[in-house]
Amino acid sequence: KAGVTQTPRYLIKTRGQQVTLSCSPISGHRSVSWYQQTPGQGLQFLFEYFSETQRNKGNFPGRFSGRQFSNSRSEMNVSTLELGDSALYLCASSFSRDVGGELFFGEGSRLTVL
Amino acid sequence: QKEVEQNSGPLSVPEGAIASLNCTYSDRGSQSFFWYRQYSGKSPELIMSIYSNGDKEDGRFTAQLNKASQYVSLLIRDSQPSDSATYLCILSGNTGKLIFGQGTTLQVKP
Repeated sequence: KAGVTQTPRYLIKTRGQQVTLSCSPISGHRSVSWYQQTPGQGLQFLFEYFSETQRNKGNFPGRFSGRQFSNSRSEMNVSTLELGDSALYLCASSFSRDVGGELFFGEGSRLTVL
Repeated sequence: QKEVEQNSGPLSVPEGAIASLNCTYSDRGSQSFFWYRQYSGKSPELIMSIYSNGDKEDGRFTAQLNKASQYVSLLIRDSQPSDSATYLCILSGNTGKLIFGQGTTLQVKP
């Protein structure tokens, strides 16, 4: 069965631009969550969606937003990019609505902001 | 106090030794506890999950949970160089939200 697919894998943007990242969960998984990973801060939770509804949100500014479609695919958007947004953005899907369920991570989208 | 504390390491052990990774947490209502392994440049993958006090063994891996003392640990027996990675302690808090530790880097030297 196909894993979690994230696109694009790598991208370079400049300050002030905006970016949209995509995540296709494992078939049958309805929960999708997003994370930012940097060497200094580790893995930080951005938000979680279940059945097109945002269920939880981390402590990130409003420039970070997301959505989930009826087919469970999810997108996250970062507007007005800053240098500090350079990071690996990971998406994870889960079968169970209970957050205690196992997370399956995608390979990530590595964003570089110049 | 951080919600989940892990020693960032690196923790260095010789091949064949037991590696002990520890994690302490502050939310007494935490219900579910997970250990994920992340190789450099790769995404995290689940190694162990534990939900009740005591030990849970799976091959060379043993997870230990002590809710009274608020710690969870991961023991890796007969450590191999292929175990060299960052190990993330993740738990499900009282509100259901996942809380992440910073990760411990393990180096197993041949």
